[in-house]
Amino acid sequence: QVQLVESGGGVVQPGRSLRLSCAASGFTFRTFGMHWVRQAPGQGLEWVASIRNDGSQEYYADSVRGRFTISRDNSRDTLYLEMNSLTAEDTAVYYCAKDWNDRGFDYWGQGALVTVSS
Amino acid sequence: DIQMTQSPSSLSASVGDRITITCRASQDIRNNLVWYQQKPGKVPKLLIDTASTLQSGVPSRFSGSGSGTHFTLTISSLQPEDVATYYCQKYVSAPLTFGQGTRLDLK
Repeated sequence: QVQLVESGGGVVQPGRSLRLSCAASGFTFRTFGMHWVRQAPGQGLEWVASIRNDGSQEYYADSVRGRFTISRDNSRDTLYLEMNSLTAEDTAVYYCAKDWNDRGFDYWGQGALVTVSS
Repeated sequence: DIQMTQSPSSLSASVGDRITITCRASQDIRNNLVWYQQKPGKVPKLLIDTASTLQSGVPSRFSGSGSGTHFTLTISSLQPEDVATYYCQKYVSAPLTFGQGTRLDLK
């Protein structure tokens, strides 16, 4: 069965960096695009970034462009999100999600909580 | 960027009621629209893709319709387990914007 397991969340000071990982299993990772979505406490879903199956193209929300970098290692079946210059507005649960043939996100991880606070 | 606007932002209904949630795109997105259900404390679940295609295992009381800029999610007969927040998302060209969500609960 498909599993997505995020790790790397935690409490970080404003201006610092953090890297999230998402370990995938149960499907052929290298054949699917992947995404990061976040949800601030009590708020709605916000798309953060996407990456094509082969890593050839990346896409970012305006709110994170230039600060966050999405990447993947298809040899390790792992997705990453490098987050720099973090602010309190980046506090959220970060979900990785699998692409469903360009028709939505069909599997989601359980999420990693990132808290930006001094 | 294309904006996605859902209405209402919240609603209360009774078991058995017919529920309709609307999602409007600020530009034509053809049928590149998906719906998610997020139950309290849970991870979002893909309900419907390409505006009207029900995902496997989703009860038939759920349906989606629309194209272009106007879309609807309908629950034909509300059940207690449908209490959740529902999100639409456009799926053509980044940014893959979500609507702000519609919170559905029971009267």
